[in-house]
Amino acid sequence: AQSVTQPDIHITVSEGASLELRCNYSYGATPYLFWYVQSPGQGLQLLLKYFSGDTLVQGIKGFEAEFKRSQSSFNLRKPSVHWSDAAEYFCAVVSRSNDYKLSFGAGTTVTVRA
Amino acid sequence: DTGVSQDPRHKITKRGQNVTFRCDPISEHNRLYWYRQTLGQGPEFLTYFQNEAQLEKSRLLSDRFSAERPKGSFSTLEIQRTEQGDSAMYLCASTKGVGELFFGEGSRLTVL
Repeated sequence: AQSVTQPDIHITVSEGASLELRCNYSYGATPYLFWYVQSPGQGLQLLLKYFSGDTLVQGIKGFEAEFKRSQSSFNLRKPSVHWSDAAEYFCAVVSRSNDYKLSFGAGTTVTVRA
Repeated sequence: DTGVSQDPRHKITKRGQNVTFRCDPISEHNRLYWYRQTLGQGPEFLTYFQNEAQLEKSRLLSDRFSAERPKGSFSTLEIQRTEQGDSAMYLCASTKGVGELFFGEGSRLTVL
Protein backbone atom coordinates (compact mmCIF):
# COMPACT_ATOMS: atom_id res chain seq x y z
CA ALA A 1 0.00 0.00 0.00
CA GLN A 2 1.15 3.53 -0.73
CA SER A 3 2.08 5.50 2.36
CA VAL A 4 4.10 8.39 3.70
CA THR A 5 5.57 8.18 7.19
CA GLN A 6 6.94 10.81 9.50
CA PRO A 7 8.53 8.86 12.34
CA ASP A 8 8.89 11.78 14.75
CA ILE A 9 5.69 13.10 16.27
CA HIS A 10 7.35 15.91 18.21
CA ILE A 11 10.81 17.47 18.15
CA THR A 12 12.17 20.13 20.50
CA VAL A 13 15.14 22.14 19.37
CA SER A 14 17.01 25.12 20.77
CA GLU A 15 16.99 28.38 18.88
CA GLY A 16 20.06 28.52 16.65
CA ALA A 17 20.47 24.75 16.57
CA SER A 18 20.04 22.66 13.46
CA LEU A 19 16.85 20.79 12.66
CA GLU A 20 16.17 17.65 10.67
CA LEU A 21 12.72 16.16 10.10
CA ARG A 22 12.38 12.70 8.64
CA CYS A 23 10.04 11.51 5.92
CA ASN A 24 9.84 8.09 4.33
CA TYR A 25 7.51 7.01 1.57
CA SER A 26 6.34 3.73 0.15
CA TYR A 27 5.24 4.00 -3.46
CA GLY A 28 5.66 1.83 -6.53
CA ALA A 29 7.73 4.47 -8.26
CA THR A 30 9.32 7.64 -6.95
CA PRO A 31 6.50 10.10 -6.38
CA TYR A 32 6.64 13.86 -6.44
CA LEU A 33 7.65 15.00 -2.95
CA PHE A 34 6.72 18.06 -0.91
CA TRP A 35 7.09 19.63 2.51
CA TYR A 36 4.40 21.89 3.94
CA VAL A 37 4.37 23.94 7.13
CA GLN A 38 1.36 24.83 9.26
CA SER A 39 1.83 27.57 11.82
CA PRO A 40 -0.75 27.96 14.61
CA GLY A 41 -3.95 29.42 13.20
CA GLN A 42 -2.56 29.51 9.66
CA GLY A 43 -3.22 27.53 6.52
CA LEU A 44 -0.67 25.08 5.19
CA GLN A 45 2.13 26.64 3.17
CA LEU A 46 4.43 24.92 0.71
CA LEU A 47 8.08 24.98 1.79
CA LEU A 48 9.67 23.08 -1.08
CA LYS A 49 9.15 20.37 -3.66
CA TYR A 50 11.07 17.68 -5.54
CA PHE A 51 10.11 16.53 -9.01
CA SER A 52 13.42 15.41 -10.54
CA GLY A 53 17.04 16.43 -11.00
CA ASP A 54 19.24 17.69 -8.19
CA THR A 55 18.43 15.67 -5.10
CA LEU A 56 19.08 18.61 -2.75
CA VAL A 57 16.32 21.15 -3.08
CA GLN A 58 16.11 24.59 -1.55
CA GLY A 59 12.93 26.09 -0.24
CA ILE A 60 11.60 29.14 1.47
CA LYS A 61 12.51 30.29 4.97
CA GLY A 62 15.99 28.77 4.75
CA PHE A 63 14.80 25.16 4.53
CA GLU A 64 16.26 22.47 2.32
CA ALA A 65 15.45 18.81 1.73
CA GLU A 66 17.38 15.88 0.34
CA PHE A 67 15.86 13.10 -1.72
CA LYS A 68 17.49 9.71 -1.27
CA ARG A 69 16.08 7.09 -3.61
CA SER A 70 17.89 4.20 -1.93
CA GLN A 71 16.29 5.05 1.41
CA SER A 72 12.91 6.21 0.05
CA SER A 73 13.41 9.32 2.11
CA PHE A 74 12.94 13.05 1.75
CA ASN A 75 14.26 14.65 4.93
CA LEU A 76 13.84 18.33 5.69
CA ARG A 77 16.66 20.35 7.24
CA LYS A 78 17.43 23.81 8.49
CA PRO A 79 20.92 24.77 9.68
CA SER A 80 19.85 27.31 12.30
CA VAL A 81 16.34 27.39 13.71
CA HIS A 82 14.52 30.60 14.63
CA TRP A 83 11.73 30.84 17.19
CA SER A 84 9.31 31.53 14.34
CA ASP A 85 9.97 28.03 12.96
CA ALA A 86 7.83 26.53 15.71
CA ALA A 87 5.04 24.89 13.74
CA GLU A 88 3.77 21.60 12.41
CA TYR A 89 5.53 20.18 9.37
CA PHE A 90 3.99 17.79 6.89
CA CYS A 91 5.64 15.67 4.27
CA ALA A 92 3.40 15.00 1.27
CA VAL A 93 3.57 12.93 -1.90
CA VAL A 94 1.83 12.73 -5.24
CA SER A 95 1.99 9.72 -7.50
CA ARG A 96 3.41 10.50 -10.93
CA SER A 97 0.68 8.42 -12.54
CA ASN A 98 -2.13 9.99 -10.55
CA ASP A 99 -0.81 13.48 -10.23
CA TYR A 100 -3.70 15.26 -8.59
CA LYS A 101 -3.98 13.42 -5.28
CA LEU A 102 -1.67 14.81 -2.61
CA SER A 103 -1.29 12.50 0.41
CA PHE A 104 0.11 13.78 3.69
CA GLY A 105 2.07 12.25 6.51
CA ALA A 106 0.82 12.62 10.09
CA GLY A 107 3.11 15.56 10.74
CA THR A 108 5.92 16.53 13.09
CA THR A 109 5.41 19.26 15.65
CA VAL A 110 8.48 21.41 16.21
CA THR A 111 8.94 23.31 19.45
CA VAL A 112 11.72 25.89 19.66
CA ARG A 113 13.16 26.72 23.06
CA ALA A 114 15.04 29.91 23.80
CA ASP B 1 -6.31 39.37 -0.76
CA THR B 2 -6.23 36.88 -3.61
CA GLY B 3 -5.69 33.71 -1.61
CA VAL B 4 -8.08 30.85 -0.92
CA SER B 5 -10.88 31.89 1.38
CA GLN B 6 -13.20 29.71 3.40
CA ASP B 7 -16.41 30.50 5.16
CA PRO B 8 -17.37 30.16 7.93
CA ARG B 9 -14.15 29.85 9.87
CA HIS B 10 -15.92 28.23 12.79
CA LYS B 11 -19.21 26.37 12.98
CA ILE B 12 -20.79 24.86 16.07
CA THR B 13 -23.82 22.72 15.45
CA LYS B 14 -25.95 20.12 17.14
CA ARG B 15 -25.87 16.51 16.10
CA GLY B 16 -28.31 15.84 13.30
CA GLN B 17 -28.15 19.32 11.78
CA ASN B 18 -26.89 20.07 8.28
CA VAL B 19 -23.91 22.34 7.66
CA THR B 20 -22.42 23.85 4.53
CA PHE B 21 -18.95 25.23 4.00
CA ARG B 22 -17.92 27.46 1.16
CA CYS B 23 -14.53 27.79 -0.53
CA ASP B 24 -13.44 30.50 -2.94
CA PRO B 25 -10.27 29.37 -4.69
CA ILE B 26 -7.65 31.49 -6.40
CA SER B 27 -9.36 32.60 -9.59
CA GLU B 28 -7.11 31.03 -12.23
CA HIS B 29 -6.83 27.67 -10.45
CA ASN B 30 -8.70 24.85 -12.16
CA ARG B 31 -8.00 22.21 -9.49
CA LEU B 32 -9.84 22.37 -6.18
CA TYR B 33 -9.56 20.04 -3.21
CA TRP B 34 -11.26 19.41 0.10
CA TYR B 35 -9.33 17.82 2.95
CA ARG B 36 -10.23 17.01 6.53
CA GLN B 37 -7.81 17.38 9.41
CA THR B 38 -8.24 16.16 12.95
CA LEU B 39 -6.01 16.91 15.91
CA GLY B 40 -2.58 15.33 15.61
CA GLN B 41 -3.14 14.10 12.09
CA GLY B 42 -2.20 15.21 8.64
CA PRO B 43 -4.85 16.38 6.20
CA GLU B 44 -6.91 13.54 4.71
CA PHE B 45 -8.05 13.80 1.11
CA LEU B 46 -11.81 14.06 0.71
CA THR B 47 -12.53 15.10 -2.84
CA TYR B 48 -11.08 16.72 -5.96
CA PHE B 49 -12.51 18.89 -8.72
CA GLN B 50 -11.00 19.73 -12.04
CA ASN B 51 -12.98 22.74 -13.17
CA GLU B 52 -16.59 21.81 -12.40
CA ALA B 53 -16.11 18.04 -12.61
CA GLN B 54 -15.75 16.07 -9.38
CA LEU B 55 -13.16 13.49 -10.40
CA GLU B 56 -12.60 11.64 -7.16
CA LYS B 57 -14.37 11.22 -3.87
CA SER B 58 -12.64 9.47 -1.00
CA ARG B 59 -14.13 6.39 0.61
CA LEU B 60 -13.87 8.44 3.82
CA LEU B 61 -16.88 10.40 2.63
CA SER B 62 -20.17 8.81 3.52
CA ASP B 63 -23.33 9.55 1.60
CA ARG B 64 -24.00 12.34 4.09
CA PHE B 65 -21.24 14.38 2.47
CA SER B 66 -21.66 16.16 -0.85
CA ALA B 67 -19.52 18.68 -2.65
CA GLU B 68 -20.15 20.85 -5.65
CA ARG B 69 -18.25 23.30 -7.75
CA PRO B 70 -20.74 24.98 -10.06
CA LYS B 71 -19.23 26.60 -13.13
CA GLY B 72 -15.77 25.71 -11.91
CA SER B 73 -15.60 28.63 -9.53
CA PHE B 74 -16.36 28.44 -5.80
CA SER B 75 -17.11 25.15 -4.11
CA THR B 76 -19.40 24.02 -1.31
CA LEU B 77 -19.09 21.06 1.01
CA GLU B 78 -22.32 20.01 2.71
CA ILE B 79 -22.62 17.58 5.58
CA GLN B 80 -26.09 16.28 6.29
CA ARG B 81 -27.25 14.86 9.63
CA THR B 82 -23.98 15.72 11.34
CA GLU B 83 -22.42 13.30 13.82
CA GLN B 84 -19.88 13.98 16.55
CA GLY B 85 -17.28 12.15 14.50
CA ASP B 86 -17.59 14.84 11.84
CA SER B 87 -15.94 17.35 14.16
CA ALA B 88 -12.75 18.40 12.40
CA MET B 89 -11.08 21.15 10.42
CA TYR B 90 -12.21 21.16 6.79
CA LEU B 91 -9.55 22.51 4.48
CA CYS B 92 -9.96 23.76 0.96
CA ALA B 93 -7.06 24.11 -1.45
CA SER B 94 -6.60 25.06 -5.06
CA THR B 95 -3.88 24.89 -7.68
CA LYS B 96 -3.21 24.92 -11.40
CA GLY B 97 -0.17 22.68 -11.10
CA VAL B 98 0.94 19.43 -9.52
CA GLY B 99 1.09 19.24 -5.74
CA GLU B 100 1.64 22.92 -5.14
CA LEU B 101 -1.57 23.45 -3.28
CA PHE B 102 -2.64 26.78 -1.87
CA PHE B 103 -4.68 26.23 1.26
CA GLY B 104 -7.30 28.32 2.94
CA GLU B 105 -7.26 28.74 6.70
CA GLY B 106 -9.93 26.11 7.12
CA SER B 107 -13.43 25.80 8.53
CA ARG B 108 -13.54 24.27 11.98
CA LEU B 109 -16.64 22.19 12.70
CA THR B 110 -17.71 21.25 16.21
CA VAL B 111 -20.68 18.91 16.52
CA LEU B 112 -22.25 18.83 19.97
